[in-house]
Amino acid sequence: TQLLEQSPQFLSIQEGENLTVYCNSSSVFSSLQWYRQEPGEGPVLLVTVVTGGEVKKLKRLTFQFGDARKDSSLHITAAQPGDTGLYLCAVSGAGSYQLTFGKGTKLSVIP
Amino acid sequence: ETGVTQTPRHLVMGMTNKKSLKCEQHLGHNAMYWYKQSAKKPLELMFVYSLEERVENNSVPSRFSPECPNSSHLFLHLHTLQPEDSALYLCASSQEVVRGLDNSPLHFGNGTRLTVT
Repeated sequence: TQLLEQSPQFLSIQEGENLTVYCNSSSVFSSLQWYRQEPGEGPVLLVTVVTGGEVKKLKRLTFQFGDARKDSSLHITAAQPGDTGLYLCAVSGAGSYQLTFGKGTKLSVIP
Repeated sequence: ETGVTQTPRHLVMGMTNKKSLKCEQHLGHNAMYWYKQSAKKPLELMFVYSLEERVENNSVPSRFSPECPNSSHLFLHLHTLQPEDSALYLCASSQEVVRGLDNSPLHFGNGTRLTVT
């Protein structure tokens, strides 16, 4: 099982600010997924990245997969209260049914 | 009805009770999962079913008993639970079972918040 470290654990910012959260591992992974979990709901998939160095954009969200495929970042531009939630990264190991999740970054965007 | 539906949303039970959690998916997926989400811990995979066959039991205590009567329904039967079993139990489904590079995205329900007293 690969251990995923997410940072920061908590983040509280004002509406309109930019932020970056991180997902790191000591192991190489074949692909990585980012999920957002809003209060009282289940996680929802945001993006899957599979290629080292890959950058994907989803409106104000920019996801980057590290060149060495050991880390990933999520950057949010001009955060809005609707971005509030728990951001989870997840990876799978080759040949395993196990999808390993990090503990998440809990983001609060204050109006 | 769309997506993955879990019932009940909240459940309080005593340590001697028997209860069941229900999950139903309307996505035509072949794989279903139970996850446990506790405070300050990562999501923990409990069970995986592929086409109604259990393919993973992640060292879960026998007081948790899953049942998958068909590819659209998944149950988690609970008996003689402990207070430390209090958590959010999430059901998920995917087109095919998540395995290695076959990253079928998971579709989660909104969970059952379980409190064991």
